[in-house]
Amino acid sequence: GAGVSQTPSNKVTEKGKYVELRCDPISGHTALYWYRQSLGQGPEFLIYFQGTGAADDSGLPNDRFFAVRPEGSVSTLKIQRTERGDSAVYLCASSTAGTGGDTQYFGPGTRLTVL
Amino acid sequence: RKEVEQDPGPFNVPEGATVAFNCTYSNSASQSFFWYRQDCRKEPKLLMSVYSSGNEDGRFTAQLNRASQYISLLIRDSKLSDSATYLCVVNRAGNNRKLIWGLGTSLAVNP
Repeated sequence: GAGVSQTPSNKVTEKGKYVELRCDPISGHTALYWYRQSLGQGPEFLIYFQGTGAADDSGLPNDRFFAVRPEGSVSTLKIQRTERGDSAVYLCASSTAGTGGDTQYFGPGTRLTVL
Repeated sequence: RKEVEQDPGPFNVPEGATVAFNCTYSNSASQSFFWYRQDCRKEPKLLMSVYSSGNEDGRFTAQLNRASQYISLLIRDSKLSDSATYLCVVNRAGNNRKLIWGLGTSLAVNP
């Protein structure tokens, strides 16, 4: 079946602009996660959704970052007033139930470059 | 100290070699442990979960030592296609859904 998809695959923007990154999880997966990965680093947790609600947003670096999942499926990560330090690959993952032991399936990521 | 630590490598080994990676974690109450594989410019993919009793999947063996708080991954008979970064992942105690990732260990298998 279809895996996790993310759009766009690449996004180049200028400092100060607003961007939206989209994640379409595996159908039926109730849990959805956003991560950020910089070169040479492991993924860094940003936010986790269980259904429509953000169960844990403690990884969002500041109030410029916001994410929604209004219908419990597709999620959008929104970044306001982008900064050069926001440049990274933004990964989305989904899992069946969101328990600690279930497998997270990742999308291919969106490579964000802030000039 | 980082919550999850790995030797970043790189490990350069010839085909057919056996290679082992270790990972240490700081929170003794962590419950779930995984090894993910990530190819260059690709997303991470689950290689295997790590159970207390140890588990094996073909050429790959994972072990957990709770007393010493480390996880290991053993790859036997290395193939060229095993070249990748191997990420150690641990769930943060008290919050099953937040996984903490190591920086990854880079493996290059050479012909």
